[in-house]
Amino acid sequence: KAGVTQTPRYLIKTRGQQVTLSCSPISGHRSVSWYQQTPGQGLQFLFEYFSETQRNKGNFPGRFSGRQFSNSRSEMNVSTLELGDSALYLCASGRGDVGEAFFGQGTRLTVV
Amino acid sequence: AQRVTQPEKLLSVFKGAPVELKCNYSYSGSPELFWYVQYSRQRLQLLLRHISRESIKGFTADLNKGETSFHLKKPFAQEEDSAMYYCALSVNSGGSNYKLTFGKGTLLTVNP
Repeated sequence: KAGVTQTPRYLIKTRGQQVTLSCSPISGHRSVSWYQQTPGQGLQFLFEYFSETQRNKGNFPGRFSGRQFSNSRSEMNVSTLELGDSALYLCASGRGDVGEAFFGQGTRLTVV
Repeated sequence: AQRVTQPEKLLSVFKGAPVELKCNYSYSGSPELFWYVQYSRQRLQLLLRHISRESIKGFTADLNKGETSFHLKKPFAQEEDSAMYYCALSVNSGGSNYKLTFGKGTLLTVNP
């Protein structure tokens, strides 16, 4: 079956702009999580959605937000981009009742 | 707050040699522990989880609650084991155990 799909794969944005990233989970998975990966901080949890509800949130500023649709697809939005937001953003999906997460290939965001 | 420490950023061994990737965690409760692996140009994927107690690709990991460790071991390393390995911990929060805390990772190189 198809894996987790993230679009776009690459993005270049200017400071102050906003960006929306998309994630399509594996069919039947109702949980979608987002992570930020940087060389300095490694993989950091952003938030998790299950059945359109945010269940968990990491320690990121309010500029980072997300949502989940009824078909389990999810989007994350970053407003007022800063240079430090340049990172690989990973999405992961799961069945909802176990800790195993299936990851997408990520969206590489560069803020200039 | 929970923390995962992987003390070695780089580990290099020869083919056929034993390999041990170290992982220590800090959490006062009962976490779930995982090892994730990322091969070159592939997505992050689950290697094994402590509750399943199974051996995947010859790798095993035992949870030692006394030492708060979850080291990954393989008796005879193969060249195809060369990859980035991440130790991760999840705790049930908000009804979800998808909030993964990752270590910074260990890059394993198996030399011929």
